[in-house]
Amino acid sequence: EPEVTQTPSHQVTQMGQEVILRCVPISNHLYFYWYRQILGQKVEFLVSFYNNEISEKSEIFDDQFSVERPDGSNFTLKIRSTKLEDSAMYFCASIAARGQIYGYTFGSGTRLTVV
Amino acid sequence: DAKTTQPNSMESNEEEPVHLPCNHSTISGTDYIHWYRQLPSQGPEYVIHGLTSNVNNRMASLAIAEDRKSSTLILHRATLRDAAVYYCILRDENTGTASKLTFGTGTRLQVTL
Repeated sequence: EPEVTQTPSHQVTQMGQEVILRCVPISNHLYFYWYRQILGQKVEFLVSFYNNEISEKSEIFDDQFSVERPDGSNFTLKIRSTKLEDSAMYFCASIAARGQIYGYTFGSGTRLTVV
Repeated sequence: DAKTTQPNSMESNEEEPVHLPCNHSTISGTDYIHWYRQLPSQGPEYVIHGLTSNVNNRMASLAIAEDRKSSTLILHRATLRDAAVYYCILRDENTGTASKLTFGTGTRLQVTL
């Protein structure tokens, strides 16, 4: 079964450093997403991406965040200057098209720890 | 987004059926009912979705009330691997782009021997 692959599985970074979280969505999918989950809290939407541009973003997705699909396969989330409160699991997801029968496919996540 | 209400937790014995309820009294005509689950230390996983009719797939069944104000996810024979948080989510399929999922707190299902 096709998978969404995320790397690394765990990243530890110092406060103020830049991090890039990587995702390889399923190859024929068209819509891409980042979600995050702070330990013990809900899964929260960050951003959606379609046709090489952001479709929607949440209040969490401020100027410190950016997304890119540089080469047609990878989908990255960059946090420019990490804060302690950015520590969370970050999940990438993709879907083929609106109403796609199998729903979204999520990756296993990257655990980001900011120290 | 229309809101859903689920019990915080439920317990089941292994090999027995589990009925996970969800209330969504403010559902609109274009909202599909989606169920996802999240196993420990994993990303959310699609389970099933439907609009009006009951749906079956290899993972579960979805029973939708005639007025669509509630639905029930049915796991026919719970196993220890089904222990997870189950999310009932409404998603408007009429939006121009594939809209986001809005997760609530879900139902934590415990399965015991």
